[in-house]
Amino acid sequence: AQRVTQPEKLLSVFKGAPVELKCNYSYSGSPELFWYVQYSRQRLQLLLRHISRESIKGFTADLNKGETSFHLKKPFAQEEDSAMYYCALIGSGGYNKLIFGAGTRLAVHP
Amino acid sequence: GAGVSQSPSNKVTEKGKDVELRCDPISGHTALYWYRQSLGQGLEFLIYFQGNSAPDKSGLPSDRFSAERTGGSVSTLTIQRTQQEDSAVYLCASSLSGTSDTQYFGPGTRLTVL
Repeated sequence: AQRVTQPEKLLSVFKGAPVELKCNYSYSGSPELFWYVQYSRQRLQLLLRHISRESIKGFTADLNKGETSFHLKKPFAQEEDSAMYYCALIGSGGYNKLIFGAGTRLAVHP
Repeated sequence: GAGVSQSPSNKVTEKGKDVELRCDPISGHTALYWYRQSLGQGLEFLIYFQGNSAPDKSGLPSDRFSAERTGGSVSTLTIQRTQQEDSAVYLCASSLSGTSDTQYFGPGTRLTVL
């Protein structure tokens, strides 16, 4: 079965501290992995995807197929990073539906 | 340009009534998705439309739920005989095609069933 697990409901850090939001997936093939973010009173939006291998707003995520993980990292958190973060995958098979994790709320304190 | 729009933004209804939720995708996007965001279930896929192909309805939770996409553009999600467990935020997204293109989400419709 396809599943995305985000073990932390809430991650609370101070400004300037490193951040790692954990994501593990279960999928037998080669999924495509995404991180979506939802800031307060804004719509859900794509943050980054593993095939792009790019850094967005200082965030990076590396796909580790051995550990079936796609953790999101940022070396120095900013207050404006406070938001809800969702890890998601699209499986192969011709359909584009996203399978989301439960989400992690990141709170960055001054 | 304009993003995905949804209406209404909020809907309060009584148990047993039918509701219709509307989604206007980004112009030119051939793929359209409905998701539901609820406290107990998180974000879950409901239905997917791609061009003129038959929709993927595999995520619809019951036969009270149905959706249409007219003219390859606007979509309507209909919930018949609403139940309290239908209370959630219903999100619509669209993408340029049915491959792994970026999905752009609308602001959602918050449905409350009393």
